[in-house]
Amino acid sequence: GAVVSQHPSRVICKSGTSVKIECRSLDFQATTMFWYRQFPKKSLMLMATSNEGSKATYEQGVEKDKFLINHASLTLSTLTVTSAHPEDSSFYICSALLGGGAGYTFGSGTRLTVV
Amino acid sequence: GNSVTQMEGPVTLSEEAFLTINCTYTATGYPSLFWYVQYPGEGLQLLLKATKADDKGSNKGFEATYRKETTSFHLEKGSVQVSDSAVYFCALREIQGAQKLVFGQGTRLTINP
Repeated sequence: GAVVSQHPSRVICKSGTSVKIECRSLDFQATTMFWYRQFPKKSLMLMATSNEGSKATYEQGVEKDKFLINHASLTLSTLTVTSAHPEDSSFYICSALLGGGAGYTFGSGTRLTVV
Repeated sequence: GNSVTQMEGPVTLSEEAFLTINCTYTATGYPSLFWYVQYPGEGLQLLLKATKADDKGSNKGFEATYRKETTSFHLEKGSVQVSDSAVYFCALREIQGAQKLVFGQGTRLTINP
């Protein structure tokens, strides 16, 4: 089946540094990717929708200069958390929209801890 | 806007117990409805779905029926197993735009032997 590989699964970084999270579609082309953030005991909150070759569409309240999304190819989308702060610590999950009404496939998530 | 509300967890049951996790939604029109499951350390997996009113989704012994009268999509299983321990998310797919998924807050289920 369609698989999205998300890396890293866990990352710890210092305040002020940047962290890049990658999501690769392994056996299909992902035209549309969604990036979610999940707070402890909270739901998944959509951060942005990215389409290959165009700028991402950010949800209201999400800082696009802080959460940089790149979707330069049909098999790779990246989320870069710039100048990370402890409040950015969270679980980030990517999801790809499958064609033909087949639904979605999700990455396994990245646990980011900013110290 | 569209929203999904599901029962607060955590839920702890004994093996072979009956399970219900409530889910209600608010949406424009009649969106498709989903249940996703997240096992420890893994991504979300589709458990079941329903695309129109009165549809029943089923998989691995789990069932949910799309009830437009009560705007609900409650998840049920007659006899749970330890391996069902996971976090369960109810979600709807928006009809317009980029077909975004809107999730409930998730319900952590623990099954004790």
